[in-house]
Amino acid sequence: DAGVIQSPRHEVTEMGQEVTLRCKPISGHDYLFWYRQTMMRGLELLIYFNNNVPIDDSGMPEDRFSAKMPNASFSTLKIQPSEPRDSAVYFCASLRQGSTEAFFGQGTRLTVV
Amino acid sequence: GQNIDQPTEMTATEGAIVQINCTYQTSGFNGLFWYQQHAGEAPTFLSYNVLDGLEEKGRFSSFLSRSKGYSYLLLKELQMKDSASYLCARVYSGAGSYQLTFGKGTKLSVIP
Repeated sequence: DAGVIQSPRHEVTEMGQEVTLRCKPISGHDYLFWYRQTMMRGLELLIYFNNNVPIDDSGMPEDRFSAKMPNASFSTLKIQPSEPRDSAVYFCASLRQGSTEAFFGQGTRLTVV
Repeated sequence: GQNIDQPTEMTATEGAIVQINCTYQTSGFNGLFWYQQHAGEAPTFLSYNVLDGLEEKGRFSSFLSRSKGYSYLLLKELQMKDSASYLCARVYSGAGSYQLTFGKGTKLSVIP
């Protein structure tokens, strides 16, 4: 398997623009997680899905953030409108039910100017 | 990280042993992970402890005390490539739920 695939790897956008981050989990994995990593706050859980259903979105910072998982092989994290403080590395991870190891994608480095 | 504490930075010498400590909130706990993250890369799994005691895996060992809410990662025979951030994470899992919460990480610098 190719692992968890995220796109784009890097994104630079202007404040106020919409940003969409994409994730393809490992086939057969039941859980999908979106994390945000910054120097100040470390790795924060934003939202996670189980079998395509959002289970906990309490980490989503504001209504500007939304996430969807229309099927088992694809998820998006959208920020609209984006702000400079959203600049961070966004990681997607997936996990098979009953397993203990979550696998991370390579991340999307987002810069909002 | 939510109620997970670990030192921000550590420095150790090549060939030496280093211990990275982690304390966490014991409520809602099922297990403790250690992940390694090199600069600019994704976190990768190192170890998982669910029972008290020491788990050894090559040069790396991880210890857990559930009653004390304490874990450590022990790295032996340090190599330059071990320079990375080490993330402690606790998990709570139940019916359909899986909360994996990370500490802020300990940046380890291995010097010659």
